[in-house]
Amino acid sequence: EIVLTQSPGTLSLSPGDRATLSCRASQSVSSRFLAWYQQKPGQAPRLLIYGASSRATGIPDRFSGSGSGTDFTLTISRLEPEDFAVYYCQQYDSSPTWTFGQGTKVEFK
Amino acid sequence: EVELVESGGGLIQPGGSLRLSCAASGFTVSSNYMSWVRQAPGKGLEWVSVIYSGDSTYYADSVKGRFTISRDNSKNTLYLQMNSLRAEDTAVYYCARSPKYCTGGSCYLPHFDSWGQGTLVTVSS
Repeated sequence: EIVLTQSPGTLSLSPGDRATLSCRASQSVSSRFLAWYQQKPGQAPRLLIYGASSRATGIPDRFSGSGSGTDFTLTISRLEPEDFAVYYCQQYDSSPTWTFGQGTKVEFK
Repeated sequence: EVELVESGGGLIQPGGSLRLSCAASGFTVSSNYMSWVRQAPGKGLEWVSVIYSGDSTYYADSVKGRFTISRDNSKNTLYLQMNSLRAEDTAVYYCARSPKYCTGGSCYLPHFDSWGQGTLVTVSS
């Protein structure tokens, strides 16, 4: 089973800052099968990025994804107040199994 | 517009049973690939089960043999029958849809593009 480890656990930033979130896999993951979600308190997760770098419908272009193999990154170029939330990476294998990282919380500094 | 609405959660004693429902609108459940994903209080996300459009079903090891996923095409609704519930099953349960991508003769369900708002299941005496 592939394990996803996200870092840091918490990111303390201010509006306008750049946020860089990391997701590391215990073994190589196809870029096609790596996604990122945003979750706000009391809400369901929302798909942000799929295929490691493609933005989902309606997602602003300040969100971008990159990476390959075992190392993937979600970047928020300039934080808006509504971006303070928890972010999860997720991978899929065709057994089928979907696994998530433990999450990174982006909080106000 | 795609919408998923879960219901059926509540407080249940260990060893008990509960059936969750997920009513869909804006698309046809039977033509899609539908999962249940849960989130224990203050914890991360855990995939639980999936049902394919062709009726195949799969489960996480943690629920295999205790949970059953199904759907009612006439009601456009997804279900999760949960038996032999344990304290560690306490969570918000979300239903979610996976888009299907096919390439080179193989098809994949790489992520979840639509989620319901969730229903809370609490297993406690």
